[in-house]
Amino acid sequence: KQEVTQIPAALSVPEGENLVLNCSFTDSAIYNLQWFRQDPGKGLTSLLLIQSSQREQTSGRLNASLDKSSGRSTLYIAASQPGDSATYLCAVRLDQGAQKLVFGQGTRLTINP
Amino acid sequence: DTGVSQNPRHKITKRGQNVTFRCDPISEHNRLYWYRQTLGQGPEFLTYFQNEAQLEKSRLLSDRFSAERPKGSFSTLEIQRTEQGDSAMYLCASSRYRGPIKNTGELFFGEGSRLTVL
Repeated sequence: KQEVTQIPAALSVPEGENLVLNCSFTDSAIYNLQWFRQDPGKGLTSLLLIQSSQREQTSGRLNASLDKSSGRSTLYIAASQPGDSATYLCAVRLDQGAQKLVFGQGTRLTINP
Repeated sequence: DTGVSQNPRHKITKRGQNVTFRCDPISEHNRLYWYRQTLGQGPEFLTYFQNEAQLEKSRLLSDRFSAERPKGSFSTLEIQRTEQGDSAMYLCASSRYRGPIKNTGELFFGEGSRLTVL
């Protein structure tokens, strides 16, 4: 059974710092991995999608990496801003035929001005 | 493209009542998914449709839950005889399946429908 873990559960950093969020998964045979952002009481916003054949994806100040062999992904946020405060979730799709995403519990990020 | 739309955004009901949520996916998205999220947890898969066909259901979807997508466009999720344990955020997502070669598998989520059962 695929399990996804995100550590830490909560993180608080001063504005302007670079930071890394971690995601680990138990079964390395994944199809892709997706990072989402969730604001309180809101739905999920897709940030980055990494296919199993890729090592990383970048969008603006965000960079996500994937190491399938070690079952890890990281989300790097450069020059953090208060507006980055949210919960960040990672999710894996097991294979092309599998339709469900398996989510981690998320990391609640607070950027202090 | 207006994104995935869900209604109502918030529903408060008494235990034992029936509730229905609606999801309008992104136009031209042929796949539609329902997830449930409880406080402090990541979303959990409930079911998904390709066009009008419901192709997979989670064991989380008890007999009191039913989902439909009658014309392959919008979908409804009905919960009968609600229980306090049904209180959660119900999230809908959609994606465009273009075949095994072109399919990215990226999901787009709506704002969710929050259910509170008193």
